[in-house]
Amino acid sequence: KAGVTQTPRYLIKTRGQQVTLSCSPISGHRSVSWYQQTPGQGLQFLFEYFSETQRNKGNFPGRFSGRQFSNSRSEMNVSTLELGDSALYLCASSPEPPTGPDTQYFGPGTRLTVL
Amino acid sequence: AQSVTQLDSHVSVSEGTPVLLRCNYSSSYSPSLFWYVQHPNKGLQLLLKYTSAATLVKGINGFEAEFKKSETSFHLTKPSAHMSDAAEYFCVVSSSGGSYIPTFGRGTSLIVHP
Repeated sequence: KAGVTQTPRYLIKTRGQQVTLSCSPISGHRSVSWYQQTPGQGLQFLFEYFSETQRNKGNFPGRFSGRQFSNSRSEMNVSTLELGDSALYLCASSPEPPTGPDTQYFGPGTRLTVL
Repeated sequence: AQSVTQLDSHVSVSEGTPVLLRCNYSSSYSPSLFWYVQHPNKGLQLLLKYTSAATLVKGINGFEAEFKKSETSFHLTKPSAHMSDAAEYFCVVSSSGGSYIPTFGRGTSLIVHP
């Protein structure tokens, strides 16, 4: 089985722009979670989707949003980019809503740089 | 509310000596606790987890951790470090019932000297 795929792998944007990141889960997985990793704040949970519904959300401003499609692929969007949004964005998929990290499979991440 | 504090941002050991990575947590409910490892340019890998069963948890690659409720700690140990253990380690707490809503520690970088 192919692993979790994230596109693009690298992205450079300028302040004020918006960006969309994509995550394709492992075939058959219906849950997708998103995380942000920065040197300053470390790893932080963004949100989790299952069957096209957002089930849980971390403590992030409304500029961060996401959605999940009927084929389980997920996108996250960040509007009005700030310098502090520069980060590695990780996506993880699981067959069902995760009850722990042992059921999550992580993608390689998208490295976003905001100039 | 839940939080995690990893007490050391860097830990340096010699190969063959013991490893201790410290983690304290706070949680309003019975927590589930985890340790992840992240090697350079690699994804996250689960080392071990505690979910209210045995307080001493054994993980992969010889790592283990002990849940101490009275001290609100979940320290990670290994008797003998290998060069391949050099990586970033994250302590994680989740205390939201059936949902996994993790809070990560800031990470501890383990450096292993030959």
